[in-house]
Amino acid sequence: AQKVTQAQTEISVVEKEDVTLDCVYETRDTTYYLFWYKQPPSGELVFLIRRNSFDEQNEISGRYSWNFQKSTSSFNFTITASQVVDSAVYFCALSEAPDTGGFKTIFGAGTRLFVKA
Amino acid sequence: SQTIHQWPATLVQPVGSPLSLECTVEGTSNPNLYWYRQAAGRGLQLLFYSVGIGQISSEVPQNLSASRPQDRQFILSSKKLLLSDSGFYLCAWRNRRGTQYFGPGTRLTVL
Repeated sequence: AQKVTQAQTEISVVEKEDVTLDCVYETRDTTYYLFWYKQPPSGELVFLIRRNSFDEQNEISGRYSWNFQKSTSSFNFTITASQVVDSAVYFCALSEAPDTGGFKTIFGAGTRLFVKA
Repeated sequence: SQTIHQWPATLVQPVGSPLSLECTVEGTSNPNLYWYRQAAGRGLQLLFYSVGIGQISSEVPQNLSASRPQDRQFILSSKKLLLSDSGFYLCAWRNRRGTQYFGPGTRLTVL
């Protein structure tokens, strides 16, 4: 069965600190997708990144970076120089591959990030 | 571009009353559609998903039901609400690359 574990329930940092959110997943599929979503206080989930299981290249987008390591089944998310606007709940997710008939996405429990000014 | 709408944004209902939440998607055809519920401070629970008109898969047996009367319309219903139905309801559509995009959500309080 597929599973996504976000062991950090809450993290609190001071503005400008770097912070890493951990995500560990379990799947027997050879083709799958990994995602990160941000849920600000307004509630709507905002898509941040999608990673194909065949693509282990790290990704950087501005202050955000993602480290995907199949050997440890991890897909960690780092925010560099955090800002107050980064305060939100962040979800890691794992999806069955659509082209193999998969329809579901499994979400982790989320990590609540507090960035203090 | 695609957009997803949900209404109402907020709803307060008495126990035992019916429920109807609506979700519509624009800018895409034959999307996979999903209903999730999020209890306060908790993660996402998948309730229903649909791969086409009239096709509904239920993940959680309870007093909720879903229908898809049109290609881009997904409705969540209940005949009699329970206190435990309170929560934040999110609708999502999924593109062919597997990415889900979420609507703004409906915050339901059952009193």
